[in-house]
Amino acid sequence: GQQVMQIPQYQHVQEGEDFTTYCNSSTTLSNIQWYKQRPGGHPVFLIQLVKSGEVKKQKRLTFQFGEAKKNSSLHITATQTTDVGTYFCAGLNYGGSQGNLIFGKGTKLSVKP
Amino acid sequence: ETGVTQSPTHLIKTRGQQVTLRCSSQSGHNTVSWYQQALGQGPQFIFQYYREEENGRGNFPPRFSGLQFPNYSSELNVNALELDDSALYLCASSLDWVVNSPLHFGNGTRLTVT
Repeated sequence: GQQVMQIPQYQHVQEGEDFTTYCNSSTTLSNIQWYKQRPGGHPVFLIQLVKSGEVKKQKRLTFQFGEAKKNSSLHITATQTTDVGTYFCAGLNYGGSQGNLIFGKGTKLSVKP
Repeated sequence: ETGVTQSPTHLIKTRGQQVTLRCSSQSGHNTVSWYQQALGQGPQFIFQYYREEENGRGNFPPRFSGLQFPNYSSELNVNALELDDSALYLCASSLDWVVNSPLHFGNGTRLTVT
């Protein structure tokens, strides 16, 4: 079945350093979504990418969707302690229902002040 | 607008017992999905309900069942609990599954099976 893989599993950075997490799917996706889960919290929607090669920015966060729609990345510039949490990508197959998002295992980010 | 609410927040059950978890969807949302999140893992899709009908199911056995009510709230039932069922159960509502709107998650129910 479809798999969504994320690397790295963990990332420890010094505050102010940049951070990137990568997401790869075994199949072509109709769209990809990114969520952030704070420790002890629930996943919170960040963004959805639909078009091949799409790039979206939210302040210090930059999201990219690959040309083949099989990979994606999230880049955070100049991390802050408020960025701490686990970042999940979630891919949706063509024809799949919205609920049937396949989540990666996430990248857990810790930021040292 | 009220967000997604789940109850109870924590639950301890014994192997072989049955459990019912409840979820109230966000106002205006007609689609509810349930996810299981084991420690250190990403959420795994259990099933989705749209207008009271199941319209998608993940790789979970039939002892995982659900309901959606006319007000779009939902229940997740798990029979014959196993130790591996210990996890965080997340309910997520969305505006309408047809338009691929984002998922809004509740805080989850932490289930421990002993």
